[in-house]
Amino acid sequence: GQNIDQPTEMTATEGAIVQINCTYQTSGFNGLFWYQQHAGEAPTFLSYNVLDGLEEKGRFSSFLSRSKGYSYLLLKELQMKDSASYLCAVVDSNYQLIWGAGTKLIIKP
Amino acid sequence: GAVVSQHPSWVICKSGTSVKIECRSLDFQATTMFWYRQFPKQSLMLMATSNEGSKATYEQGVEKDKFLINHASLTLSTLTVTSAHPEDSSFYICSARAADYEQYFGPGTRLTVT
Repeated sequence: GQNIDQPTEMTATEGAIVQINCTYQTSGFNGLFWYQQHAGEAPTFLSYNVLDGLEEKGRFSSFLSRSKGYSYLLLKELQMKDSASYLCAVVDSNYQLIWGAGTKLIIKP
Repeated sequence: GAVVSQHPSWVICKSGTSVKIECRSLDFQATTMFWYRQFPKQSLMLMATSNEGSKATYEQGVEKDKFLINHASLTLSTLTVTSAHPEDSSFYICSARAADYEQYFGPGTRLTVT
């Protein structure tokens, strides 16, 4: 079967750094998305990785290792507004999105 | 866990034809379902919110006569793209809201209009 694993919940302190991991097992791979979703809102796009390596975009970075079926989202200089759910989703060989259950990130002052 | 399915997973159609996409919540009842569209490397864009037994609420800029939504039961919502054109080619994703207010996303439907 296909599955995406990411931690259910994480807690971090304002100003700190947090890494949210995502491991996947899918039939084929056509890219991996990270989304941020605040409660009651639609997910917003954070990053898309299709090649191995690290992509940095401001305070957020995303890393992919296709051979390990692994990705992480790194958030630096955490702000209270970063409290949200972070969704990992993989595009499989049929171009279907396989969604992780999301990681709820709680930021404490 | 809650599972949402979509059918078909991908479809190719000719310009001017209509395409129906189904969204089902398999193991829970969803009074509210959402339809999103995603263009490559862009955010999911909410198209409409569908409540069972009532008319869908469309987001600004989304033509309700072109994107027909029917939410006839607590487990099924359909999106029909009428008179499709190549610019409608996109990834259409539904989500269903469960009683715990969590949103569960479907796998998406890739529509290509030629």
